Amino acid sequence: QKEVEQDPGPLSVPEGAIVSLNCTYSNSAFQYFMWYRQYSRKGPELLMYTYSSGNKEDGRFTAQVDKSSKYISLFIRDSQPSDSATYLCAMSARNRGSTLGRLYFGRGTQLTVWP
Amino acid sequence: SQTIHQWPATLVQPVGSPLSLECTVEGTSNPNLYWYRQAAGRGLQLLFYSVGIGQISSEVPQNLSASRPQDRQFILSSKKLLLSDSGFYLCAWSSLAQQETQYFGPGTRLLVL
Repeated sequence: QKEVEQDPGPLSVPEGAIVSLNCTYSNSAFQYFMWYRQYSRKGPELLMYTYSSGNKEDGRFTAQVDKSSKYISLFIRDSQPSDSATYLCAMSARNRGSTLGRLYFGRGTQLTVWP
Repeated sequence: SQTIHQWPATLVQPVGSPLSLECTVEGTSNPNLYWYRQAAGRGLQLLFYSVGIGQISSEVPQNLSASRPQDRQFILSSKKLLLSDSGFYLCAWSSLAQQETQYFGPGTRLLVL
């Protein structure tokens, strides 16, 4: 079983729709959760960062972490064509005193928002 | 602010030829540095990481190597490329204060023919 599972899609929605992207994981030690956005032929860009459980909102984006279910989500409200990209989830179990923040990535979900 | 550069942006190389990809970071000191490869449909694979000058850790046995000759410079090399080395190579950095948050460069697309 992979440490992080993410449905690769593709996901296609009309402009203005609410998008839900999800990842599940198996390692209960994960405590840092990130979402990256990657446009075609570009490097991933950090979109959201969450520590432990709960919600975090940034404009049209909301990240949710449910550690009891080992499940994280990214919601995009009022989706725009410019949101069309691949979204990667990533997680880390860094302990205090460690010198390395190793990340475990999902494979990414390809999203297309059509006008 | 911090920026990360990679070059070249695109590279087409014959099988058996050498490789050198370079990554530099500006605006931060003593970063952790990482090399990833992203193959189509396979996600991001961590190849090497470095916590300081001359300190390199390898994640996957392969014909690639990495070096960190300066604090903010990270180089990925190969003596003889294989077809399977084709992919999108990404360099990333993280700070000591927030090591779990990595920031990626623009990437180098490598095609081995």
